[in-house]
Amino acid sequence: DIQMTQSPASLSASLGETVTIECRASEDIYSNLAWYQQKPGNSPQLLIYDANSLADGVPSRFSGSGSGTQYSLKINSLQSEDVASYFCQQYNNYPDTFGAGTKLELK
Amino acid sequence: QVTLKESGPGMLQPSQTLSLTCTFSGTSLSTSNMGLSWLRQPSGKGLEWLASIWNNDNYYNPSLRSRLTISKETSKNQVLLKFTSMEPADTATYYCAWGYGGPFDYWGQGVMVTVSS
Repeated sequence: DIQMTQSPASLSASLGETVTIECRASEDIYSNLAWYQQKPGNSPQLLIYDANSLADGVPSRFSGSGSGTQYSLKINSLQSEDVASYFCQQYNNYPDTFGAGTKLELK
Repeated sequence: QVTLKESGPGMLQPSQTLSLTCTFSGTSLSTSNMGLSWLRQPSGKGLEWLASIWNNDNYYNPSLRSRLTISKETSKNQVLLKFTSMEPADTATYYCAWGYGGPFDYWGQGVMVTVSS
């Protein structure tokens, strides 16, 4: 299975700040990567797919980038509603695998 | 608007079989290249893909394949998951999600399952 190493595990940031979350795959996943946001008590919601495509209805302050084995999710101008956990998922190889998650809190 | 909803027992005893149902609307498994998947998430932990139905084929996580059976009732817009020999380590929130082999576009609200004697 492809291992997805996500960092940091937790992150504290101030309103208006820019934050970046990283995900490293154990082998090349050819941009077949998605990012999800999960607010406390809720199910995950798709933010980004194919490494850099914004899902419908997702604010433009979210962006994804990367290639090969290294990918990142950037949140510009952090808002209070962005407090959540974030997960990456690779779907290049069977079985799909996920990162362990990053918990984002307000400073 | 695709919606999904999971249903199943909230608690079961070790060694029992878990039966879960995902009822969906706003789409159809009869359409080609449409798939529905089951995933789970232990409290405070990450996500694990379990099984999927896609184009009339079934796919399973190799690490759990021997314990899982996924099936569909097309006329009822339902996908079922059976998970045998449940253990306390299987305690988690179980989700159904629309998609396979790509991003999961829509998710159900999840159903919490506790395995305890």
